[in-house]
Amino acid sequence: ETGVTQSPTHLIKTRGQQVTLRCSSQSGHNTVSWYQQALGQGPQFIFQYYREEENGRGNFPPRFSGLQFPNYSSELNVNALELDDSALYLCASSLGGGGQGSTNYGYTFGSGTRLTVV
Amino acid sequence: DQQVKQNSPSLSVQEGRISILNCDYTNSMFDYFLWYKKYPAEGPTFLISISSIKDKNEDGRFTVFLNKSAKHLSLHIVPSQPGDSAVYFCAASAGRRAQKLVFGQGTRLTINP
Repeated sequence: ETGVTQSPTHLIKTRGQQVTLRCSSQSGHNTVSWYQQALGQGPQFIFQYYREEENGRGNFPPRFSGLQFPNYSSELNVNALELDDSALYLCASSLGGGGQGSTNYGYTFGSGTRLTVV
Repeated sequence: DQQVKQNSPSLSVQEGRISILNCDYTNSMFDYFLWYKKYPAEGPTFLISISSIKDKNEDGRFTVFLNKSAKHLSLHIVPSQPGDSAVYFCAASAGRRAQKLVFGQGTRLTINP
């Protein structure tokens, strides 16, 4: 059983640029959620994709967008990067929409992509 | 608006003793709570959860206590081991099938030999 893989692991971008982060979900999982973890903070929910549709969104502006592909992998796109977008971006996969999949809530997190905006 | 708060950024405990990590929440709609553990350069991993219909859940060395009236939960680790050194996040959701988890800021636990 493969876990959640994210790429790239680290990325440096300039303010105003656009970035795409990628996530391969765990085998058997059909739901992907994205979280932003700023330094010294806990992860914050960006959005979730289930069956290729957005299935819930947190308090993030429209310049944060995503996609889910038929193989359940996902992309997070951020346009017009700002300095405050510097953070660790975590992808979590699960089964069945929502966060439920098993007794442990079903989330399997990847190791994240560290984005630095300069 | 920080709906889930972990007021202790760090905690240092001697090996073999009890570690107690605390978490407070403000949203009365939260009814499912989880603890995650995170090592550097790794994603958070699930540790233990509790539903609001219970006030205690135990799994080996880990026990979570929930005080609904105080909107407070705590994680007890007994006995603490060096491998327990990590950042611990408390998280909450409104409903077990909710899409999102709301996380606290985390507490860095260091277990000293």
